[in-house]
Amino acid sequence: DGGITQSPKYLFRKEGQNVTLSCEQNLNHDAMYWYRQDPGQGLRLIYYSQIVNDFQKGDIAEGYSVSREKKESFPLTVTSAQKNPTAFYLCASSIFSQDSLKGYEQYFGPGTRLTVT
Amino acid sequence: AQSVTQLDSHVSVSEGTPVLLRCNYSSSYSPSLFWYVQHPNKGLQLLLKYTSAATLVKGINGFEAEFKKSETSFHLTKPSAHMSDAAEYFCVVSAQAAGNKLTFGGGTRVLVKP
Repeated sequence: DGGITQSPKYLFRKEGQNVTLSCEQNLNHDAMYWYRQDPGQGLRLIYYSQIVNDFQKGDIAEGYSVSREKKESFPLTVTSAQKNPTAFYLCASSIFSQDSLKGYEQYFGPGTRLTVT
Repeated sequence: AQSVTQLDSHVSVSEGTPVLLRCNYSSSYSPSLFWYVQHPNKGLQLLLKYTSAATLVKGINGFEAEFKKSETSFHLTKPSAHMSDAAEYFCVVSAQAAGNKLTFGGGTRVLVKP
């Protein structure tokens, strides 16, 4: 079965601790993305990566870090510098081609709900 | 630049009646448009997409949407609502020129009454 997996589904941390959320895909997609969703709101882009060993900041990157050492994996670290880390985090992946003008659909994982107290 | 406005934050329908979710978009590029559905505490599932072929797009679960360039709209419809359609729906715009980043509308929460 091809798809995106995120683990764990629920995560609890104490304030001041860094925490890493896992995202793995076996769709052979070049691009991967991290979003944050707060109650009653749409998704906001944290970081994205279009190729291995390269990534760009999204709209709300402060307090987060990522790495892209393998095509299949795009872990997100929520650092202690993130002022309000409690949220639902979604990872996604897509095809990426510089030859096409159209945007490609993104495929989403099931999400990780992070609670920091 | 691109943006999406979903005109209704909540829609309530009776089971078996039509559903209409309204979406207007703005884009400096030649956009692709998508509708995603999200059930509580789940990821997003793609319902349908428009990428410049037919303007009337059919998706999964009986949903369809019509791209109207002159009105910059991409409204989602379903002729007969089912209880399982209760969820949040997001209209999304994307363009390769924008790094394939998705721009989300604020979402429309659909309630289906028996």
